[in-house]
Amino acid sequence: EPEVTQTPSHQVTQMGQEVILRCVPISNHLYFYWYRQILGQKVEFLVSFYNNEISEKSEIFDDQFSVERPDGSNFTLKIRSTKLEDSAMYFCASRPPPGQGYGYTFGSGTRLTVV
Amino acid sequence: TQLLEQSPQFLSIQEGENLTVYCNSSSVFSSLQWYRQEPGEGPVLLVTVVTGGEVKKLKRLTFQFGDARKDSSLHITAAQPGDTGLYLCAGGGRTSYDKVIFGPGTSLSVIP
Repeated sequence: EPEVTQTPSHQVTQMGQEVILRCVPISNHLYFYWYRQILGQKVEFLVSFYNNEISEKSEIFDDQFSVERPDGSNFTLKIRSTKLEDSAMYFCASRPPPGQGYGYTFGSGTRLTVV
Repeated sequence: TQLLEQSPQFLSIQEGENLTVYCNSSSVFSSLQWYRQEPGEGPVLLVTVVTGGEVKKLKRLTFQFGDARKDSSLHITAAQPGDTGLYLCAGGGRTSYDKVIFGPGTSLSVIP
């Protein structure tokens, strides 16, 4: 079964450092998303990406965050200057083209710990 | 702001029992999805319901979307220890690429 792959699975970084979280969505999917889940809390939407541009972003997705699809395969989330409160599980998800279902396929996540 | 509530928050039952968990909102959703999440893993899609009143079955799991598309339920028959996990409902937006809003989840524990 096709899957969304995320790397790394764990990332520990010092406050103020930049991190890049990487995702390889399912190849024929067109819509890409980043969500995050702080320990014990809800899964929260960060950003959606379609046709090489951001479709929608949440209040969480401030100027410290950016997304990119640099090579038609990878989909990255960059946090420029990490804060302690950025510690969370970050999930990448992709969705098939219209007419092929509504459901997301999520990756296994990257656990980001900011110290 | 669209919000989804789920109840109960925690549920612990014996193997073989039946259970129902609920997902409610004051907002109308174009679609509603149910996911199961294991600790340290991403949510895994179980089902999507789109039409008000729709009922879908997945083996021992029965999903229903409310007539007004504001609520949904998940019923599990003869629960097994393998059903243990966090059950999340998520409501979709108006278009196929809209974000979904997640509820807080129901944590189910099935005791052998």
